[in-house]
Amino acid sequence: DAGVIQSPRHEVTEMGQEVTLRCKPISGHDYLFWYRQTMMRGLELLIYFNNNVPIDDSGMPEDRFSAKMPNASFSTLKIQPSEPRDSAVYFCASSPRTARNEKLFFGSGTQLSVL
Amino acid sequence: AQSVTQPDIHITVSEGASLELRCNYSYGATPYLFWYVQSPGQGLQLLLKYFSGDTLVQGIKGFEAEFKRSQSSFNLRKPSVHWSDAAEYFCAVGGSWGKLQFGAGTQVVVTP
Repeated sequence: DAGVIQSPRHEVTEMGQEVTLRCKPISGHDYLFWYRQTMMRGLELLIYFNNNVPIDDSGMPEDRFSAKMPNASFSTLKIQPSEPRDSAVYFCASSPRTARNEKLFFGSGTQLSVL
Repeated sequence: AQSVTQPDIHITVSEGASLELRCNYSYGATPYLFWYVQSPGQGLQLLLKYFSGDTLVQGIKGFEAEFKRSQSSFNLRKPSVHWSDAAEYFCAVGGSWGKLQFGAGTQVVVTP
């Protein structure tokens, strides 16, 4: 299996622009997570899905952030409009189940820079 | 509320020397505990996990960790460090379902 695939690897955009980050989880995994990593706040869980349904979005910072999972093999995290403070590495992770939180498989992340 | 504290932000160790990374947690029930490693430019990779049973758990890459309930700790150890162990290490705590809480991470530098 190719693992969790994220695109793009790097994104540089200007303040006010819309940004869309993409994730393809490992086939057969029921859960998908979006994390954000910054120096100041470390790793933060933004939202997670179970069987394509959002379960907990309490970590989404504000209404500018939205996430969707239209099918089991694809998810997006959108920021509109983007701001410089959104600059971070965004990770997607998937898990076969979190009934026991047994193991998260992380993608390589998207490095987002908002100028 | 659950929380994880990694007291050491940065550790420098000589190649071949032993390594211990500290992790303290706060959790209202029996925790599920994890150690993840992040190499530069990469996502996190699971090193080991503890759910129950033997409090000394073995992981990949020669790492082990010991769960001490009385001290609310889950320290990570390796007897002899290799240059390839230079990375950032994250401790995480959670329940049987739901979200994990990650620590701030410990950056490990390995010197020749």
